[in-house]
Amino acid sequence: EIVLTQSPGTLSLSPGERVTLSCRASQSVSSSYLAWYQQKPGQAPRLLIYGASSRATGIPDRFSGSGSGTDFTLTISRLEPEDFAVYYCQHYGSSPWTFGQGTKVEIK
Amino acid sequence: QVQLVESGGGVVQPGRSLRLSCAASGFTFSSYAMHWVRQAPGKGLEWVAVISYDGNNKFHADSVKGRVTISRDSSKNTLYLQINSLRAEDTAVYYCARDRGRYLDWLFHFDYWGQGTLVTVSS
Repeated sequence: EIVLTQSPGTLSLSPGERVTLSCRASQSVSSSYLAWYQQKPGQAPRLLIYGASSRATGIPDRFSGSGSGTDFTLTISRLEPEDFAVYYCQHYGSSPWTFGQGTKVEIK
Repeated sequence: QVQLVESGGGVVQPGRSLRLSCAASGFTFSSYAMHWVRQAPGKGLEWVAVISYDGNNKFHADSVKGRVTISRDSSKNTLYLQINSLRAEDTAVYYCARDRGRYLDWLFHFDYWGQGTLVTVSS
């Protein structure tokens, strides 16, 4: 099982700031089968990034993903008010699918 | 548009069973693998189970193996999750989600999610 560790646990930021979230895997993630999701309170998760760096349909280009092997990053170039949420990384491609514990981006 | 609507949650006593449903619409249900994911109150996401497009392949998380059965009825465009011997730690919002892959090209990320159904295990 691939264990994903996200850091930091919480980020306190202001609108307009640049955000970098980290996701580290316990073993190499093959074919960059790594996705990122955004979840707001009371809502289902929403797919942001798949294949480590491909944006899902309708996702603004201020969201970008990068990385390979065991180290992955989600970057939000300029925080908008609607971006304050919890972000999860996910491994896929084999069972079990696993998620990181999440990073909360909160308003400072 | 793709819609996934879960139902069947509620308050259940420990040791009892429950069957959750997920009604799918807006896409060819029989072409896609489907997943269940759960989220305990205030906690992160936990993958529970997946079923292939034709129902012939299933995988379950170790945490629920032996107590949970995933199934589908493509004639009704509905996904199911049977949970037996419910425990307090099964208390969670249960989401169904669509695998991005189609037919045998599956085991991908989740491109659509339902809004979830809350299961509370309590005496």
